[in-house]
Amino acid sequence: GQNIDQPTEMTATEGAIVQINCTYQTSGFNGLFWYQQHAGEAPTFLSYNVLDGLEEKGRFSSFLSRSKGYSYLLLKELQMKDSASYLCAVPNQAGTALIFGKGTTLSVSS
Amino acid sequence: DSGVTQTPKHLITATGQRVTLRCSPRSGDLSVYWYQQSLDQGLQFLIQYYNGEERAKGNILERFSAQQFPDLHSELNLSSLELGDSALYFCASSDENREETQYFGPGTRLLVL
Repeated sequence: GQNIDQPTEMTATEGAIVQINCTYQTSGFNGLFWYQQHAGEAPTFLSYNVLDGLEEKGRFSSFLSRSKGYSYLLLKELQMKDSASYLCAVPNQAGTALIFGKGTTLSVSS
Repeated sequence: DSGVTQTPKHLITATGQRVTLRCSPRSGDLSVYWYQQSLDQGLQFLIQYYNGEERAKGNILERFSAQQFPDLHSELNLSSLELGDSALYFCASSDENREETQYFGPGTRLLVL
């Protein structure tokens, strides 16, 4: 089956860089997703990694190491609006749904 | 705005009642997914429909059912409601050419009293 671990909470200050880690165990690998979710709102797609390495998208980058079952989301030049929950997810074995981690709540202070 | 719409936004009801949540996927998306998010469980997959047919089932209770109609909108029916069913219910849709990426609607917040 699938299992995903990520830290429950992190704090950082405006302008800083923060790295949110995710480790996963899956029976087959079909990629790894990061979603951002503000409290009470819908998760919004941030990134999808299927190959090893770093993918950069503006202030956000996502890294994957398939051999280590490890990913991280890197957020640069943090802004107050980046305060949210960041969810790591992998497709289930059949590829028919996403299995989400419990999410990392990031609090950005000034 | 993801393009996925859900109604109603909020729903308050009593134990033992039945409710219906509605979802319209993004234009052109054939797949619809339903998820439940409660404080202690996180986002849990319930069920997927593809072009009107049930495709996959997750942790969906027997008291819950869903369907997808010819116009591709979907409904999630929750019956014999219990206090523990209080949660956010999200619908997501995906494009058949890039099925792995799901786009979520704004959710329906259900409170069972």
